[in-house]
Amino acid sequence: GEQVEQLPSILRVQEGSSASINCSYEDSASNYFPWYKQEPGENPKLIIDIRSNMERKQIQELIVLLDKKAKRFSLHITDTQPGDSAMYFCAARRGTNAYKVIFGKGTHLHVLP
Amino acid sequence: AQTIHQWPVAEIKAVGSPLSLGCTIKGKSSPNLYWYWQATGGTLQQLFYSITVGQVESVVQLNLSASRPKDDQFILSTEKLLLSHSGFYLCAWSRDINQAPLFGEGTRLSVL
Repeated sequence: GEQVEQLPSILRVQEGSSASINCSYEDSASNYFPWYKQEPGENPKLIIDIRSNMERKQIQELIVLLDKKAKRFSLHITDTQPGDSAMYFCAARRGTNAYKVIFGKGTHLHVLP
Repeated sequence: AQTIHQWPVAEIKAVGSPLSLGCTIKGKSSPNLYWYWQATGGTLQQLFYSITVGQVESVVQLNLSASRPKDDQFILSTEKLLLSHSGFYLCAWSRDINQAPLFGEGTRLSVL
């Protein structure tokens, strides 16, 4: 149970609208879920994270939700701007080995003007 | 503040040649260190992690090896490159297991 599924792979939204990215994990012992933003040619940067003792976390326009029973978590970007266009990766830290962090396949977000 | 530096920034190498990539962390003693690989347009695949000097754990076998000769240094290497080794190699660190890996600037490797 090491997979992290991430959908959609491509997401196009209108500037000012919301964007949602969904992830699911297999390892029920996973307890930490970071999200990264990667712009072309650059390294991934941590933007928000959530631990298993929380259901919701918000940092400015970023909202993360966690449903432990369903083994799903999601990132919501409200009031999207052109600068939000990038690749986004969800990840899950394995409960059985906290040094293993498994990444989803990524979502390419395009914010259209 | 902690800084992470990777070298070189980019490499073009021939199939069958050796490779050595480096990573240094400054400003934090005994960090957890990680190597990740990213194919063009792909996801991040964890390769190795290290909790302490001289100790490295392999996560996936890709004909690569890693070493941690000093507390602040992590090295990725192979004696014989394959075409499939091309990609973006990222070193990352974390303060402890409760922190997400934070990535360096990466090394772009092209194997021809």
